[in-house]
Order: sequence, then structure tokens, then C-alpha cells
Amino acid sequence: GAVVSQHPSWVICKSGTSVKIECRSLDFQATTMFWYRQFPKQSLMLMATSNEGSKATYEQGVEKDKFLINHASLTLSTLTVTSAHPEDSSFYICSARDLAGGADTQYFGPGTRLTVL
Amino acid sequence: EDQVTQSPEALRLQEGESSSLNCSYTVSGLRGLFWYRQDPGKGPEFLFTLYSAGEEKEKERLKATLTKKESFLHITAPKPEDSATYLCAVQAAGANNLFFGTGTRLTVIP
Repeated sequence: GAVVSQHPSWVICKSGTSVKIECRSLDFQATTMFWYRQFPKQSLMLMATSNEGSKATYEQGVEKDKFLINHASLTLSTLTVTSAHPEDSSFYICSARDLAGGADTQYFGPGTRLTVL
Repeated sequence: EDQVTQSPEALRLQEGESSSLNCSYTVSGLRGLFWYRQDPGKGPEFLFTLYSAGEEKEKERLKATLTKKESFLHITAPKPEDSATYLCAVQAAGANNLFFGTGTRLTVIP
């Protein structure tokens, strides 16, 4: 199956700092990637859709100036949490959309655990 | 509005005790229904995509089926390593994104 990586796998930062999370599709190209957030024992909540070469589309209630998304290539999307605060602490997961062979499947990365002190 | 309801919320099985997980959905034109497995602290792992009513797919001890209103994930003779949260998601026609249910947390006891 297709492989998606995320880096870092966990990060601890001080309140007010910015954190960048990378999402890479390792063996396929993805024009579309997605960023999710997951709280303990809850399901995945879509934050935004990242489109290669164009602006991201944010879900209602997600601040685009706080969660900056850049999809600069067909294999890399980044999420930057700006001026992070403790309430931003969460598990962030990306997925990449694989359209090869007529299928339409999202493959997920391993997630990034963000803790803001 | 798209809706996905998974039941039960949690399920405990003895090793070898077969059972089924349910995913009921409401979507404006189904493009695909997806099953994922998620282990604690990890991202979801893709299991199956189902596209039309009557379709079935199998992988090892897992079998997914689809009707016009729901999908079942059948687990035959489960093993402790099948313990995980199983997530169901739907993709509406014309949509790029998936809409997830809250999952079923499966525990298989040796």
C-alpha cells in the first residue's frame, strides 16, 4: 500500500511559538492532501484540504491565519501552527489522496503529537 | 447533511469469537465507503473501499459488506492483534474529503 510519512512524530513547544509539521507521500504523487485533528477518544476532524499549487480550503471554524498550509509539491504538504497555545495541543494527522489506477483512496500518515506548554 | 453512525461504540470479544461492526450512513450520493483501522497513537490504516450496494471485500479475518444504508465489518475468529479502533468513512459524490464516524473500539481477549 501507499506510504505517507509525517515529521516530527511528536513535538513540545512553548506557548507563543510556531511549529511546522511535514506530510510526505513517499511512493505516489498527491495533488490533494488533508489535515485532520484528533482529540483523545474522538474521531478525526477535518481541518483543511491542501491543494498542490493553490490555496488550501479550510473547514468552518478553523482559523486559516493560525493554521498555515503550504502544498508546494506533489509529495509534500506542510502545516504550520502559528503562535501556538495550550488549547492547540492535539494529535495532528495528514492524509494524501491517491488517484492512481482509477481508485480514490486516502492514505494516512502516522500523526504528530503536539504539546504546547 | 452527511452522517455516519458506528455501533457499537466498544466491543470486547474472546479470541475466536466472531462478530460484526456496523456503520450506518446518510450521504447525498455515495462515491465510496471506507474502512480504516487505527491503533492508539497512530494514524489510520486503510483496509477497504466499497463503492456500490452488494459489494464485498475480504482481507484475512476481515470482510466488509455494503448496502444502500449501512456497511458491516465482519471479523471472523479474531485474534488479540485485531484489537484496535475501526473507523468508517464516507465520501459523497463530487466531494474530495471523507466524513468519519466515531469508530468502534474493539478489544480481543486471549
